[in-house]
Amino acid sequence: GQQVMQIPQYQHVQEGEDFTTYCNSSTTLSNIQWYKQRPGGHPVFLIQLVKSGEVKKQKRLTFQFGEAKKNSSLHITATQTTDVGTYFCAGLTDSWGKLQFGAGTQVVVTP
Amino acid sequence: AAGVIQSPRHLIKEKRETATLKCYPIPRHDTVYWYQQGPGQDPQFLISFYEKMQSDKGSIPDRFSAQQFSDYHSELNMSSLELGDSALYFCASSLTGRGYTFGSGTRLTVV
Repeated sequence: GQQVMQIPQYQHVQEGEDFTTYCNSSTTLSNIQWYKQRPGGHPVFLIQLVKSGEVKKQKRLTFQFGEAKKNSSLHITATQTTDVGTYFCAGLTDSWGKLQFGAGTQVVVTP
Repeated sequence: AAGVIQSPRHLIKEKRETATLKCYPIPRHDTVYWYQQGPGQDPQFLISFYEKMQSDKGSIPDRFSAQQFSDYHSELNMSSLELGDSALYFCASSLTGRGYTFGSGTRLTVV
C-alpha cells in the first residue's frame, strides 16, 4: 500500500536558522498536504499542493511539490520559537481517498 | 468560524469497558474521518464517512465501530477496551479533496 516517508524525524534549530523537511511517497499523489501540530494540540492544516512542480509560500514557509508528484518539501527560513511543533506531510492518491500521514518532523527551536 | 467539536476531551476507562466518542463536523463538510494518534506517532486512519455512508476503512479493530447520523455528527464506539487503546482520537472533516479540519481530540486512557 501507499507509504509516505518523512525526514528528518527530529530537527533542532537555532533561532534565526533555516531548515527543510522532506517527504517521499512510494506512489504518485493527487495532492499533498502539510499540517502543523503543536505539543498537546491537534494537527492544523497549513497548505495543499496539487500541481506537479508547484511552489507555494506562506510568509517564511515555502512548500514544494515534486515534478513526479511523489515528493514534497517544506523549507522554513529564519526560524522562530513559534515554529516549534511537529510538521506532518500527508498524501492523497485520489480525491476520494484518505490522507496518509508521514511520521512527522519534530522541530525544537533553541533561542 | 465553526470548528470540529469533539467530546469528551478526556476519558478514563477500565479494561474491557466501552467508550463512545462524539464528533460534530463543520457544517457543509461532506466527509468525516477518525484518526488515532499514539504518543510520538503520526495520526493513523481508522474510518471515514462521506455523506453519512462509510467510505473507507483503515486499521480499525473489529472491537471498534463508527457511524454518522442524520444530523451529520459521528460517533466512534470502542468495546472491550485494552491498555493499547490509550491514545488521542481525532475527528476531522473536510470537503472532498480539500484540507482537513481536525477537532481538538479525545484523550482516552485505559487503566
